[in-house]
Amino acid sequence: GIQVEQSPPDLILQEGANSTLRCNFSDSVNNLQWFHQNPWGQLINLFYIPSGTKQNGRLSATTVATERYSLLYISSSQTTDSGVYFCAVLTDSWGKFQFGAGTQVVVTP
Amino acid sequence: NAGVTQTPKFQVLKTGQSMTLQCAQDMNHEYMSWYRQDPGMGLRLIHYSVGAGITDQGEVPNGYNVSRSTTEDFPLRLLSAAPSQTSVYFCASSAFALSRQGVGNEQFFGPGTRLTVL
Repeated sequence: GIQVEQSPPDLILQEGANSTLRCNFSDSVNNLQWFHQNPWGQLINLFYIPSGTKQNGRLSATTVATERYSLLYISSSQTTDSGVYFCAVLTDSWGKFQFGAGTQVVVTP
Repeated sequence: NAGVTQTPKFQVLKTGQSMTLQCAQDMNHEYMSWYRQDPGMGLRLIHYSVGAGITDQGEVPNGYNVSRSTTEDFPLRLLSAAPSQTSVYFCASSAFALSRQGVGNEQFFGPGTRLTVL
């Protein structure tokens, strides 16, 4: 099956810093989503982005499907950005998502 | 819309007990699925359904049963709970079953059920 690798596995940021999270996948995908799992365990949809670039406030994402990677940018980080960020890819099949292992982000005041 | 709802939020079982985790969505979505999340790991697919009456296995189906008699509901049954099934369980849905580019495959997750098997 498709392999989804996220990097870095852990990230510690000071409030106000910028960061980039990466998601590599081993095969062509029909779709890709980024999620934020907050410290209470809730999974929050960030972006649904098969290709191109999207922005939502301080977050933006870029997927280059032909090169099999996606990037999530966090700018001016805040403590509320702490949590785990997952990417999940949808391959050419029934809508089964394959998740990466996640990037644990800690934003310190 | 309530979105995807799950009950219960928390559950403690003894080894060998059975129980059903409930999942419902009010978005008329074709596709529903169950994932489990173990500490420090991503989500792994247990079972999925592409429509009422149609289910199939995911990556880790052993020990779990599902059925889908209506579009709205997709319960997950643990037949004989084992400590290895201690996990957080998430239900998800999306509009369309077949993968495709563009809108329709965005998955929406419920709040999760934290299950402990002693």
